[in-house]
Formats: sequence, C-alpha cells, structure tokens
Amino acid sequence: GAVVSQHPSWVICKSGTSVKIECRSLDFQATTMFWYRQFPKQSLMLMATSNEGSKATYEQGVEKDKFLINHASLTLSTLTVTSAHPEDSSFYICSARDSRDFRQYFGPGTRLTVL
Amino acid sequence: GQQLNQSPQSMFIQEGEDVSMNCTSSSIFNTWLWYKQDPGEGPVLLIALYKAGELTSNGRLTAQFGITRKDSFLNISASIPSDVGIYFCAGQLYGSSNTGKLIFGQGTTLQVKP
Repeated sequence: GAVVSQHPSWVICKSGTSVKIECRSLDFQATTMFWYRQFPKQSLMLMATSNEGSKATYEQGVEKDKFLINHASLTLSTLTVTSAHPEDSSFYICSARDSRDFRQYFGPGTRLTVL
Repeated sequence: GQQLNQSPQSMFIQEGEDVSMNCTSSSIFNTWLWYKQDPGEGPVLLIALYKAGELTSNGRLTAQFGITRKDSFLNISASIPSDVGIYFCAGQLYGSSNTGKLIFGQGTTLQVKP
C-alpha cells in the first residue's frame, strides 16, 4: 500500500530557531501534498497545499513567511517553521495525493515542542 | 475555516455494541471519507465514498454517502477493544478552485469497555 513518511517524528527546539519537517511519498508520486496542524484534542486543520514545482497555497490565517513550504520533487515536500515560538508547538501532519488515483495518504505526524 | 459538524463528540460503549456516528455540512462534497486516528499517529483511511447514496462496507464498518451530498454516517458493528480511537469524517472538493483538499469534522472519540 501507499506509504507516506515524515521526518523527524518529534523535535524539541528553543524559541526563535527554525525547524524543518520532511514529508515523503515512498512508493508513489505526489504532485500535491497537504500540510495540517493538530492541537491536542482537536481536529486536523489544513495549513497549506503544496504543489510540485510551484508556490504553495496557504489557507486563510496561515502566515506564508512563517511556514515555508518547498515541494521540490514528486516525492518530497518540506515545511519549515521559522522563528518558532511556544504557540507553534503542535502535531504537524502531511498527506500526499497519489497522482494516479488522487487518493490521499497521511504521514505519521511530527510532534513539535518549542521551549 | 469551513468545518463539518460531526457527532457525537465522544462515546463510551460496551464491547460488542454497535456504534453510529455522522457528519453534516452546509456545503456539498464530491467525496466523503472516514478516518481513524490513534494517539500520536496520523489518520488512517477506513472508507471512501464517491457517489451520492453509496453504501460501502469494510469488515465491521459500514458508511453511506448522503443523497444530498451534505452528510455521511459511519456504523461499527460488534465493537471490540481495538476500535478505540478518534474517528474523523472528511469531505473532499474538486473543482477549478479546489485541489482536492480535505475538510475535517471535529472527531468522535470512541472508548470501548471490555
């Protein structure tokens, strides 16, 4: 079956630093990937749509300069949280859409804790 | 942003009981999906529904895509302890301004007492 990986699975960083999270589709190509954020006991909220070879599309209220997205290949999208602050602490989940059948598959998530 | 109304918010049931949860929306969706999420993990797809009125089963799970395309339900029969988790519905849109992004419900937390 289709597998999506995320790296790292968890990260702890100091306030003011930047953190990069990778999302990879392991056995399929994904021209489109999605980034979600999930706070404790809440649902997944879409942050942005990542498009291979073009700029990401951000949802309303999400700062594009703070959450930098790069989708440089058909199997890799990265999310960089710049100048992270404690309120950015959350569970970040990506999904990748299979270019063949448009089904979305989710990664295991990355737990970010900003001290 | 846009969100689906999912209910109930939580359920605590006895092993062997049947479970039903549903989602409603003010908007029409092309596809309805149901996911299960375990703590600290990403959602896993349970059932995908592509046509209004469609009824689909996956083992003990059954889901239906509402005729109006604005609602869906998920039933779990004869629940077992491993059914514990958070269940999310999601609506998917396709069109000139939509890239198939998912809109999630608030989730239903299911607890099963052995």
